[in-house]
Amino acid sequence: ETGVTQTPRHLVMGMTNKKSLKCEQHLGHNAMYWYKQSAKKPLELMFVYSLEERVENNSVPSRFSPECPNSSHLFLHLHTLQPEDSALYLCASSQEKGSPYEQYFGPGTRLTVT
Amino acid sequence: AQTVTQSQPEMSVQEAETVTLSCTYDTSENNYYLFWYKQPPSRQMILVIRQEAYKQQNATENRFSVNFQKAAKSFSLKISDSQLGDTAMYFCAFVGFGNEKLTFGTGTRLTIIP
Repeated sequence: ETGVTQTPRHLVMGMTNKKSLKCEQHLGHNAMYWYKQSAKKPLELMFVYSLEERVENNSVPSRFSPECPNSSHLFLHLHTLQPEDSALYLCASSQEKGSPYEQYFGPGTRLTVT
Repeated sequence: AQTVTQSQPEMSVQEAETVTLSCTYDTSENNYYLFWYKQPPSRQMILVIRQEAYKQQNATENRFSVNFQKAAKSFSLKISDSQLGDTAMYFCAFVGFGNEKLTFGTGTRLTIIP
């Protein structure tokens, strides 16, 4: 394990549901990231937090709402999602934002929107 | 905007053989970093190797080495003496100096055949 955990690992939700994805890092890092991984597409950066402050949101629809209460925890709140939002959502952390710092990834949450 | 292209969606080689995965990128920046990430079937993505653009010497990590051609904007990964545990998706990624946004390619699915 890389020190980044994500829960749940699998989630099935209807379009009217509200759910949250959780990410926790045990590496003492200051930056955390949410990515969306869809089949045959490059990983898409959704959000970046540095020292609990959002620094990038990359034009993500408002039905995705991130929350970073402290440097170890990151949430992604989901509401009124669409079937095309079904994907693997990956969390990552790094020592601080900006290169050359390696990003450490969690195992992901496989989300299916029905 | 940066782009990363991996032109080989799938590859397979016999165990113990050498395999090379290709990656090209496009950028106007002069200082940047390139990465190869590995995502095994269990989905946790890990860093394989990293190259700083200002270094002429190709990076190596045990059986993994890169061929970095800055003028050609090419960054291929060579895996020597391939092992069954090398079976995974491999992603090439780019990040500009001082930037937190990693740009990924679409990945190459590598299968090592016993």
